[in-house]
Amino acid sequence: AQSVSQHNHHVILSEAASLELGCNYSYGGTVNLFWYVQYPGQHLQLLLKYFSGDPLVKGIKGFEAEFIKSKFSFNLRKPSVQWSDTAEYFCAVRPSGNTGKLIFGQGTTLQVKP
Amino acid sequence: EAQVTQNPRYLITVTGKKLTVTCSQNMNHEYMSWYRQDPGLGLRQIYYSMNVEVTDKGDVPEGYKVSRKEKRNFPLILESPSPNQTSLYFCASSARGWGELFFGEGSRLTVL
Repeated sequence: AQSVSQHNHHVILSEAASLELGCNYSYGGTVNLFWYVQYPGQHLQLLLKYFSGDPLVKGIKGFEAEFIKSKFSFNLRKPSVQWSDTAEYFCAVRPSGNTGKLIFGQGTTLQVKP
Repeated sequence: EAQVTQNPRYLITVTGKKLTVTCSQNMNHEYMSWYRQDPGLGLRQIYYSMNVEVTDKGDVPEGYKVSRKEKRNFPLILESPSPNQTSLYFCASSARGWGELFFGEGSRLTVL
C-alpha cells in the first residue's frame, strides 16, 4: 500500500538553528509532493509543492524542499528557524493517475525555543 | 473572502445517533475532500469528490457517507457514530484534484 513516512515526530530547536524534516514515500510511479503546515489554532495551509522540473522548490517563509527521486524523499529545510515556525508539519503525496487521492504523513511537531 | 466553512466546530454526541458535518466552499472548486486527524496518525483521507455527483473512497471510509449534490457543499454523514470515530475532522477543497488544498478550520467530534 502507498504510504508516507515522516521520521521525526517531535523536533525541538533553538531559534536560528537549521531545520531538516524528513519525508519518504512508497510509490513507484510519478507523484506530486506537498508540505503543509498547521500553526497552533489555525487550519492547515500549503508551504510548498513539487509537480515537475527543478527538484529544489522554494515555498513561503523561507522554507524549501528537495525531491530526490532515487530516494523517494522530499525533505523540508529551513536555514534558520524562528519562534513563529512552531507548528505541525505534514508531508503529502499524490500518486499520479489518481488525481483524487492524497496521502499524508504522520506529521512532525516542531517546537522552536526563543 | 475565500474560505471553507465547516459546521459544527465542536460536537459531543452518543453512540448511534446520526450526525452530519457540513462543509461549504465559496471558491467554485471542483474537488473536495474529508480527512480525519488523529495523534500519531496524521491526516487520513475519508472520501473525496472530483466534481458534482462524483465521489470516491479514501483510505478510511468505513462508517462514513458523503454526497455531492451541489458544487459548493460536501457533507460528511455518520449514520451510526461509534467511539472510534472520535477525532478532528477537516474538509478541504481545491480547484482541481491535484492542486493546493484549502482547508476548513476543523470539526472536533467526540462520540461517547
